[in-house]
Amino acid sequence: EADIYQTPRYLVIGTGKKITLECSQTMGHDKMYWYQQDPGMELHLIHYSYGVNSTEKGDLSSESTVSRIRTEHFPLTLESARPSHTSQYLCASSEFRDPPYEQYFGPGTRLTVT
Amino acid sequence: AQKVTQAQTEISVVEKEDVTLDCVYETRDTTYYLFWYKQPPSGELVFLIRRNSFDEQNEISGRYSWNFQKSTSSFNFTITASQVVDSAVYFCALSVRANYGGSQGNLIFGKGTKLSVKP
Repeated sequence: EADIYQTPRYLVIGTGKKITLECSQTMGHDKMYWYQQDPGMELHLIHYSYGVNSTEKGDLSSESTVSRIRTEHFPLTLESARPSHTSQYLCASSEFRDPPYEQYFGPGTRLTVT
Repeated sequence: AQKVTQAQTEISVVEKEDVTLDCVYETRDTTYYLFWYKQPPSGELVFLIRRNSFDEQNEISGRYSWNFQKSTSSFNFTITASQVVDSAVYFCALSVRANYGGSQGNLIFGKGTKLSVKP
């Protein structure tokens, strides 16, 4: 069973607020990811990291930022939330190896910006 | 460029029917990996299977089976005797050998197929 956690599960916040979505995993995985999932179900990779102090932008441009100071922790921050940021955010982790192994997903954070 | 197409947006079946979810992929890489994930209403994606490009054997796991055909670039997923608990969104995904190390293991997802199994 995967051990990857996201908090909060649900967040309703006003425009202009700064928010941080937390993600942590206890599997010692070097690789971590953030996905944005729109109401149409499609998943978009917005950030990933392959180790401490590494962060990379994903396929979808995002105004959010991430940090990776500890292996197990990969928080995502929005400096000034806007209604366009309303979405489901999924965090995932995997071993960083070749061939690639499966990603383990957290339960997600559903963000609503009013 | 790599791409995964799941042409079926939504499928609705009655319990005990068999259902096949289609997945077609595009890549120029000769080494690649295909995945299926299930996303139940609770939200987290659950890994179902990984298949590499050199292994075209079909796989069966209980009521689930996968048909990988390189000739048609397809990796279809069949649920036999569907149950209400199979209701979920199913994603097919592709991973290719990266040109640089950091993106190794990144997945390209299809848009998903929402399966509803009615009692």
